[in-house]
Amino acid sequence: EAGVAQSPRYKIIEKRQSVAFWCNPISGHATLYWYQQILGQGPKLLIQFQNNGVVDDSQLPKDRFSAERLKGVDSTLKIQPAKLEDSAVYLCASSFRRGTNEKLFFGSGTQLSVL
Amino acid sequence: GQQLNQSPQSMFIQEGEDVSMNCTSSSIFNTWLWYKQDPGEGPVLLIALYKAGELTSNGRLTAQFGITRKDSFLNISASIPSDVGIYFCAGATYNAGNNRKLIWGLGTSLAVNP
Repeated sequence: EAGVAQSPRYKIIEKRQSVAFWCNPISGHATLYWYQQILGQGPKLLIQFQNNGVVDDSQLPKDRFSAERLKGVDSTLKIQPAKLEDSAVYLCASSFRRGTNEKLFFGSGTQLSVL
Repeated sequence: GQQLNQSPQSMFIQEGEDVSMNCTSSSIFNTWLWYKQDPGEGPVLLIALYKAGELTSNGRLTAQFGITRKDSFLNISASIPSDVGIYFCAGATYNAGNNRKLIWGLGTSLAVNP
């Protein structure tokens, strides 16, 4: 079974530039998450989709971050314009649920460096 | 955002030793999860705990859901070099819409000397 695919693996940009990340979840997983993981910290949820609808985007900095999941499959996360503090690993995860049991499967992440 | 208290922050042990790490919170959780993250990869689920007092094993790993529902521990017995990585705890709550929310610890970095 193919895992969660993310691209690119690495991205280096200058502050105030724009950047986009792509995620392809595991086939059949209705829920998709974008997390930001700053070095030395645990993952922080940015946005959660259920199919193509947003369930939780309370921690998404909406003045610069946007995400979409058209057709309820692939998703893109965009930062425009980027700031130095956006340097982090951006992880995509997808999940399925049986009752209250939900298992997250993470991609390998995109490591973003903002100079 | 809120993060759980996870300790120790890092450990350096000899191969074959046992390891113990724990997570505490001021909040009650319905589920406790333990993940391992290797360099350059996303976290991978090791153990999930669903009931207070539950003790669950996965090979050399054992984890327990605290009775108060505010803490959990993870033990690794007879450590081997491939146990190296960062271990994260995560506590889960469910809202009225049955949507799960995870709160993560800061991680325990484990190094194993062969």
